[in-house]
Amino acid sequence: LAKTTQPISMDSYEGQEVNITCSHNNIATNDYITWYQQFPSQGPRFIIQGYKTKVTNEVASLFIPADRKSSTLSLPRVSLSDTAVYYCLVGYSSASKIIFGSGTRLSIRP
Amino acid sequence: EAQVTQNPRYLITVTGKKLTVTCSQNMNHEYMSWYRQDPGLGLRQIYYSMNVEVTDKGDVPEGYKVSRKEKRNFPLILESPSPNQTSLYFCATGDRFHNEQFFGPGTRLTVL
Repeated sequence: LAKTTQPISMDSYEGQEVNITCSHNNIATNDYITWYQQFPSQGPRFIIQGYKTKVTNEVASLFIPADRKSSTLSLPRVSLSDTAVYYCLVGYSSASKIIFGSGTRLSIRP
Repeated sequence: EAQVTQNPRYLITVTGKKLTVTCSQNMNHEYMSWYRQDPGLGLRQIYYSMNVEVTDKGDVPEGYKVSRKEKRNFPLILESPSPNQTSLYFCATGDRFHNEQFFGPGTRLTVL
């Protein structure tokens, strides 16, 4: 399973765009990249998933360069409610074992 | 409504007293998993199940047991709890590709 590396914490302000980068140098050919959001004392919540290039949904975008050794979660116009821990996971659908990294603690200020 | 339920949500117990934390899902998912979360250590997988009667160890299985007799249920069993099992526990489910997992509300366990 590919190990991921993320910044421990990030700070930003309401209305700004936030980009969180995840490094996964050992990503395998079949691996997908998945991001989760977790609020205190709640279970993680799926945000977005991608394999290559760019994926966008109603809450975020995910940018994956051609070599796939990193990925960037982009949160447009953040609000205070986006304050949470964000986890990047790398794995293949049939890889049953799941490894969550340390995550990035994002703090949004008024 | 799609749901993952855990019971109990909070439990305080004493060392050595067997306990079971239940997890139930109504999404007909094949994949189910248990995690524990501790400050500074993030989420760590305890056990997972690919389908009924199929279970396997995650990263931290010591001191835990699981069973998967029905698709919807995946109980976590602590035969002889110890204080180092004090933690926040999450159950999660996913479809056969389980790239997106759905997490339960968590069970906060304290072992004295």
